[in-house]
Amino acid sequence: QQPVQSPQAVILREGEDAVINCSSSKALYSVHWYRQKHGEAPVFLMILLKGGEQKGHDKISASFNEKKQQSSLYLTASQLSYSGTYFCGTEIWGSGAGSYQLTFGKGTKLSVIP
Amino acid sequence: DAGVIQSPRHEVTEMGQEVTLRCKPISGHNSLFWYRQTMMRGLELLIYFNNNVPIDDSGMPEDRFSAKMPNASFSTLKIQPSEPRDSAVYFCASSFASIRTNTGELFFGEGSRLTVL
Repeated sequence: QQPVQSPQAVILREGEDAVINCSSSKALYSVHWYRQKHGEAPVFLMILLKGGEQKGHDKISASFNEKKQQSSLYLTASQLSYSGTYFCGTEIWGSGAGSYQLTFGKGTKLSVIP
Repeated sequence: DAGVIQSPRHEVTEMGQEVTLRCKPISGHNSLFWYRQTMMRGLELLIYFNNNVPIDDSGMPEDRFSAKMPNASFSTLKIQPSEPRDSAVYFCASSFASIRTNTGELFFGEGSRLTVL
């Protein structure tokens, strides 16, 4: 079950903030966030596990609301280097021991301009 | 560590030909994934292995696709016969899923861009 990301695209000026949302219709075990620059492979940002935790590093953080099966990625004081496509990947709860079915959303294209 | 290594980086072939994509995961990782990326469908999980054993291949589009992992340091994705709609970037990723969390970050290779004419 593919998670739904919103918005599909966003344009920011340097220094502005953005929020990217990821939602699922299934109970989630974990949410992964990755960033992909054009022509490159996706790069890991963070994992959030069932439990409603919030994580972050530098000016990028994320939250996981397990009641709503939603995760949000927060980018504050955006920099030009933040440009890229952001993907959330979700693992469904209860899909079995050893299950690791990480399904990605269609991505959110973020463009940061000077 | 060299990271996940994929080959070839680019492949152009004609419809009907066999295509073999190769992947060397990061040493010590116990999970390996094959994804396909297209503009229309995004990143699709094709198959993943845990300790060299295929766990779920429900994402493999057709019988034309097959994947193997004969040992912990090598995997192949084969398409036979190839069709134009198979054109995409194929990513291999590996991970170490800890016993405690049963999940872990995915490290992606640089991808194999396949064009089927």
